[in-house]
Amino acid sequence: AQKVTQAQTEISVVEKEDVTLDCVYETRDTTYYLFWYKQPPSGELVFLIRRNSFDEQNEISGRYSWNFQKSTSSFNFTITASQVVDSAVYFCALSEANFGNEKLTFGTGTRLTIIP
Amino acid sequence: NAGVTQTPKFQVLKTGQSMTLQCAQDMNHEYMSWYRQDPGMGLRLIHYSVGAGITDQGEVPNGYNVSRSTTEDFPLRLLSAAPSQTSVYFCASTHGAGVTVVSGELFFGEGSRLTVL
Repeated sequence: AQKVTQAQTEISVVEKEDVTLDCVYETRDTTYYLFWYKQPPSGELVFLIRRNSFDEQNEISGRYSWNFQKSTSSFNFTITASQVVDSAVYFCALSEANFGNEKLTFGTGTRLTIIP
Repeated sequence: NAGVTQTPKFQVLKTGQSMTLQCAQDMNHEYMSWYRQDPGMGLRLIHYSVGAGITDQGEVPNGYNVSRSTTEDFPLRLLSAAPSQTSVYFCASTHGAGVTVVSGELFFGEGSRLTVL
């Protein structure tokens, strides 16, 4: 069975600090996808990234970066120079590799609060 | 583009009542699914569909029915609501197999908050 663990329930940092959100996953599949979604206080789910299990290159998008390490089954998310608008709940998720049949297994989320 | 549209956004039911949460997408996506979000538990898959006429159960299907008569619509039915079904429900969609997807994004609706008294 697939499982995603986000051990950090809540994190608070002062604005402009860097912060890393941890995600550890379990799966028996050799091919799978990993996701990060953001849920701001307004409640909608905002897609951030999807990574294929064959692609271990780190990804950077502006202030966001992702570190994928198959050896430790982790897909961590770092926000550099955090801003108040980054305050949200962040979910890591995993899906098996049946393309077009994305059944996501979500972690329990990390609530990030950026203190001005 | 409207994307994924859910209605209603808020609903209060009494135990035993029935209702349908509507979900429609205008992106010609083959795959649609329903999740529920509960505090401290993330999102859990209820039912999903890989195309019109095809549905299957997810992780927490009990108490819910679905049907997929068209590509656009995927309603979620509660036949006899229970307090344990108080939750926020999200509908999602994405392209089916064989379609080249750049981002691989699973598109979510804005959510429907259901309270069962």
